[in-house]
Amino acid sequence: GESVGLHLPTLSVQEGDNSIINCAYSNSASDYFIWYKQESGKGPQFIIDIRSNMDKRQGQRVTVLLNKTVKHLSLQIAATQPGDSAVYFCADTGRRALTFGSGTRLQVQP
Amino acid sequence: KAGVTQTPRYLIKTRGQQVTLSCSPISGHRSVSWYQQTPGQGLQFLFEYFSETQRNKGNFPGRFSGRQFSNSRSEMNVSTLELGDSALYLCASSYDRRTGEQYFGPGTRLTVT
Repeated sequence: GESVGLHLPTLSVQEGDNSIINCAYSNSASDYFIWYKQESGKGPQFIIDIRSNMDKRQGQRVTVLLNKTVKHLSLQIAATQPGDSAVYFCADTGRRALTFGSGTRLQVQP
Repeated sequence: KAGVTQTPRYLIKTRGQQVTLSCSPISGHRSVSWYQQTPGQGLQFLFEYFSETQRNKGNFPGRFSGRQFSNSRSEMNVSTLELGDSALYLCASSYDRRTGEQYFGPGTRLTVT
């Protein structure tokens, strides 16, 4: 069946370092992916998206890479700040709905 | 532009009762999706409404139902509540889910005792 997963449940980084959060997906037909950030007590917040006709997309301090060959996504956060502490989800916009991975908790150490 | 709003934010109910949650999407958005978030199961899709019609449905029992009104506002209802229904219920809106990103509300925290 369709699934979207994340490699690490928790990632701890030092403030100012770069963070890389990984995600694998299984549906070869998936053509649109979204990264969400969820802070405690809030709903998921859109960070960046990427379509399958792209390999890379950059936003403000964030970059998403898509490797369709191995069905892998990554979210890179440059110069990680305390405000980046949250749970990060990748989501596959399948035909029926967003399918979310289990999430990676990013902890930023001062 | 105002974001997605959900009411109430917190709710405590007893087993066997029913509950109705409300979601007001971003102005102009016609698609509203509902998700259940629990520590054990993560974020799971409940259903999606588009122009007052249920377009997709997740794998939840019939106790979970929803509807959408002509102004795109949506409600979901859970009947005969069970302890396992305790969760954060999230609503997300988009102009059209199949072409654009979804914007989430803050959620309704339901506790069933």
